This record gives sequence, structure tokens and C-alpha cells, in this order.
Amino acid sequence: LAKTTQPISMDSYEGQEVNITCSHNNIATNDYITWYQQFPSQGPRFIIQGYKTKVTNEVASLFIPADRKSSTLSLPRVSLSDTAVYYCLVGPLWKLVFGTGTRLLVSP
Amino acid sequence: DADVTQTPRNRITKTGKRIMLECSQTKGHDRMYWYRQDPGLGLRLIYYSFDVKDINKGEISDGYSVSRQAQAKFSLSLESAIPNQTALYFCATSPSGDLYNEQFFGPGTRLTVL
Repeated sequence: LAKTTQPISMDSYEGQEVNITCSHNNIATNDYITWYQQFPSQGPRFIIQGYKTKVTNEVASLFIPADRKSSTLSLPRVSLSDTAVYYCLVGPLWKLVFGTGTRLLVSP
Repeated sequence: DADVTQTPRNRITKTGKRIMLECSQTKGHDRMYWYRQDPGLGLRLIYYSFDVKDINKGEISDGYSVSRQAQAKFSLSLESAIPNQTALYFCATSPSGDLYNEQFFGPGTRLTVL
């Protein structure tokens, strides 16, 4: 399974755009890239998933370059409630492997 | 997500005791998973089941067993609990198929083994 590397933590302010980059150099051809969000003492929640290029939904965008060796989760105009841990996962669709994630702290 | 429920939500037990954590879902999903999470770390897969007759070991299955009683129910058992099994346990479900695999997580069970 592809190993992922993402920043341990990030700080931002309300209203700013936040970009979290994940490195996955060994991604396999059939791997998807999935991002989850987790609040303390809650189960992770799916944010977005993609295979290549750009994917956008109502909460985030996911940018994937042509070589697929990295991906960037973009959160537009974050609020205090976006303070959470964000996980980048790469692998077969049926077997997710969670790393330690990126702790995002949004301040007023 | 109320569609995936876990019982109990909190449990304190003693070393050597057998304990069962239960997961139920109303999403109609075939696939179910058990994970554990230790403080400051990501989730690790214990067991997963693609349907009632299919059970597979995950990354850290030693010391655990599971039972898939029905499509909607997936139980995790600790045969003889030990302190390093103290963790937050999550159940998750997902639909079958290769094109879309969002996993839906339950609220978690906080287990403490003394």
C-alpha cells in the first residue's frame, strides 16, 4: 500500500483558504486518493475522493497532478469548526490505511 | 452518523475479561470494518467483512475476533482483554463495488482495560 506523507500540523485564520498537501510517491495505478476529516472523539468523516485532475464538492477541492505522486486538499474560507485532523489516504478502494494526519487549527 | 451505531459507547473492564463491542447499521451496506485508534495516531484496521460469509484479518487482528451475525451487525470481541487494548474503537460500513467506497463511521467505543 502506498505510504503517505503530510504535514503534522497547520495553523490558519477564519476566512482563509487552507491547502494541505499529501505526498504519495508509490501510488499504484488502481489507487484512489481519499481525504477524511476527524473531530476529537468522533469517527472520521469522508470529505472528498479523486483519481486524477481536479475534483470539487460542496466542502472542498482536491487537486491531483498528472503524475499522481501528490495531492492537495483545498478548504475555501475556513471557519473555527474546520479545526480537526485531516487524513490523506491512498490505496485500493476497499482498504483504507490511515496515517497520523494533519492537525488543522483555525483561529479567530 | 446515526445510521451506524456502536454499543457500548464507553466501557471499563479488567485484564483477562472477555468483552464484546457491537456495531449495527441501517445503511444496507455489505461491507463492515473494525478499527482502533490510539491517542495521537491514525486508525488501524482490525478486521473487515465484505458480506456475512466473508471475514478478513486486518493490520492488527491478534487478540481480537469478530462475528458477522447479519448484514447489519458486526461484533468485535476481545477474548482476554489486556491494558494495551485500551483505545477508541470504531466501526465503519461501506457499499460494495469498486467505483465508490466512502466509509461511514460510527461514533466510537472508548474502551479502558485496567
